Amino acid sequence: DAKTTQPPSMDCAEGRAANLPCNHSTISGNEYVYWYRQIHSQGPQYIIHGLKNNETNEMASLIITEDRKSSTLILPHATLRDTAVYYCIVRVRGGTASKLTFGTGTRLQVTL
Amino acid sequence: NAGVTQTPKFRILKIGQSMTLQCTQDMNHNYMYWYRQDPGMGLKLIYYSVGAGITDKGEVPNGYNVSRSTTEDFPLRLELAAPSQTSVYFCASKRLAGGDNEQFFGPGTRLTVL
Repeated sequence: DAKTTQPPSMDCAEGRAANLPCNHSTISGNEYVYWYRQIHSQGPQYIIHGLKNNETNEMASLIITEDRKSSTLILPHATLRDTAVYYCIVRVRGGTASKLTFGTGTRLQVTL
Repeated sequence: NAGVTQTPKFRILKIGQSMTLQCTQDMNHNYMYWYRQDPGMGLKLIYYSVGAGITDKGEVPNGYNVSRSTTEDFPLRLELAAPSQTSVYFCASKRLAGGDNEQFFGPGTRLTVL
């Protein structure tokens, strides 16, 4: 699986958009970009994933660059409950085990 | 659905003791995983299973054993607990193979070995 690079921490004011970047310059054509988050002391929670098109769901939007070497997770109106560690993971499309490789992620702090 | 459940939530062990961490999912998922998370770090895969009767090692399997006798249950066994196994343990499950579906995680078991 391709490696990812994320900033260790970010701050965001409540009500503003949080834009979390991820670099995955060695991504292969059959690899998805996944985002999970982990709120303190809880299990990771799935947010969104995509292959090459931008994706949106009720939680967030995922913007993937045309060359697929980087992506941005957007939380459109961050709240205090969005304070968490956000993990960007690249995962191959096929394969039997579908293992996730977690890095250290970005710690997002949402403030009043 | 209860999703992925883990027991116990917390446990303190003495060095050399053994214990089993329980994990159950009620979503009829074929794939199940055990991860550990040390303080300030990401998750590391210990063992995984692609179906009943089939298990395989992950990144950090030493000191652990698993079994998968049913689709629902995937217990993790520590035979001789060591301080290096102090960690938070997460179980996860997934419906299908491949990259186009997500893993669901349990709430975790916080283990301390003294």
